[in-house]
Amino acid sequence: KAGVTQTPRYLIKTRGQQVTLSCSPISGHRSVSWYQQTPGQGLQFLFEYFSETQRNKGNFPGRFSGRQFSNSRSEMNVSTLELGDSALYLCASSSPEGRVRSPLHFGNGTRLTVT
Amino acid sequence: GENVEQHPSTLSVQEGDSAVIKCTYSDSASNYFPWYKQELGKRPQLIIDIRSNVGEKKDQRIAVTLNKTAKHFSLHITETQPEDSAVYFCAASPFQKLVFGTGTRLLVSP
Repeated sequence: KAGVTQTPRYLIKTRGQQVTLSCSPISGHRSVSWYQQTPGQGLQFLFEYFSETQRNKGNFPGRFSGRQFSNSRSEMNVSTLELGDSALYLCASSSPEGRVRSPLHFGNGTRLTVT
Repeated sequence: GENVEQHPSTLSVQEGDSAVIKCTYSDSASNYFPWYKQELGKRPQLIIDIRSNVGEKKDQRIAVTLNKTAKHFSLHITETQPEDSAVYFCAASPFQKLVFGTGTRLLVSP
């Protein structure tokens, strides 16, 4: 099975711009989660989508948004970029087993640099 | 919401020694506790996980213990090797949300 695929791998943007990141989950996985990883804050949860619906949301401002398509692929959008948004954005997919969490499979991430 | 604390932030050991990383969580509803290893420049990868109905789980040199009463869980690595050097993250999951600790950088010296 192909793993989780994230595109692009690297992005350089300037303050005020917006950016869209893409994630293709493992085939058959319906849950997609997004995390922001920075050296100081570790892995911060952004949001999770399941069957095209946002099921959980972390404590990020409204500039961070996402969506999931019917084929489970997901996109994350960040508007009005700030310098502090520079980070590695990781997508992870899983196959939920009822109410118990199932293992996350991470992609290689998109490294966003805001100048 | 759930809060996960992880200690130590850095751990240096000699090859062959054991390493222990500890985490505490706050939400008694958490029922799933995975550990991820992230090597430099690579994605986090699951190395072991435990569910709340189990107290201990082993996989070769790696073991995880869970104390639900005290709300803490630990990762134990025995006979450490240089390739164990990485950042390790614990996490706790109340239902479908996964909250990570801040990570432990493990350095194994030959």
